[in-house]
Amino acid sequence: EAEVAQSPRYKITEKSQAVAFWCDPISGHATLYWYRQILGQGPELLVQFQDESVVDDSQLPKDRFSAERLKGVDSTLKIQPAELGDSAMYLCASSSRSGPTDTQYFGPGTRLTVL
Amino acid sequence: DAKTTQPNSMESNEEEPVHLPCNHSTISGTDYIHWYRQLPSQGPEYVIHGLTSNVNNRMASLAIAEDRKSSTLILHRATLRDAAVYYCILRTIAGGTSYGKLTFGQGTILTVHP
Repeated sequence: EAEVAQSPRYKITEKSQAVAFWCDPISGHATLYWYRQILGQGPELLVQFQDESVVDDSQLPKDRFSAERLKGVDSTLKIQPAELGDSAMYLCASSSRSGPTDTQYFGPGTRLTVL
Repeated sequence: DAKTTQPNSMESNEEEPVHLPCNHSTISGTDYIHWYRQLPSQGPEYVIHGLTSNVNNRMASLAIAEDRKSSTLILHRATLRDAAVYYCILRTIAGGTSYGKLTFGQGTILTVHP
């Protein structure tokens, strides 16, 4: 069964350093999402791509976060500089479309710890 | 966005049915009711969704109240593997275009006892 791949699974960094996370969605899925999940809370959408275009980045802290999906396939989420409050699970999901009935498939996530 | 209310936690015994409630009193006519669950140390996974009628699939059943202000996710025979956080989510078509995002609440932590 096809899965969403993410790497790394775990990342420990120091405050003010740069970090990057990678996501490879299920083949053929046009829509890609990045969510952030703080311990004890539900995931929150950071950015949504439709092919290579951003369709929703209203909750992305743009002063330090950036996301790209250059060829409309895999995607990278970057944080520069990292802050203590960025410690969280970063989840990538994909779906074939972006309608209200489409299933989102999630990857295993990247656990970020900022020291 | 229409909001959902779920109990913080529930407990069940293995092989017994589990009924997980969700209140969504401000639901609109075009809101779909979705359930996702998140097993420990994993990303969320889709469980089931519905609009007005009750739905069944291999994982669970979804019972939707006639006025659509509440719904219940039914696990017919809980197993230890069903221990997870269960999220009830409304997905809305906004302005004629749905961007498909999932708005997660706190969810219900389900504990299954052997």
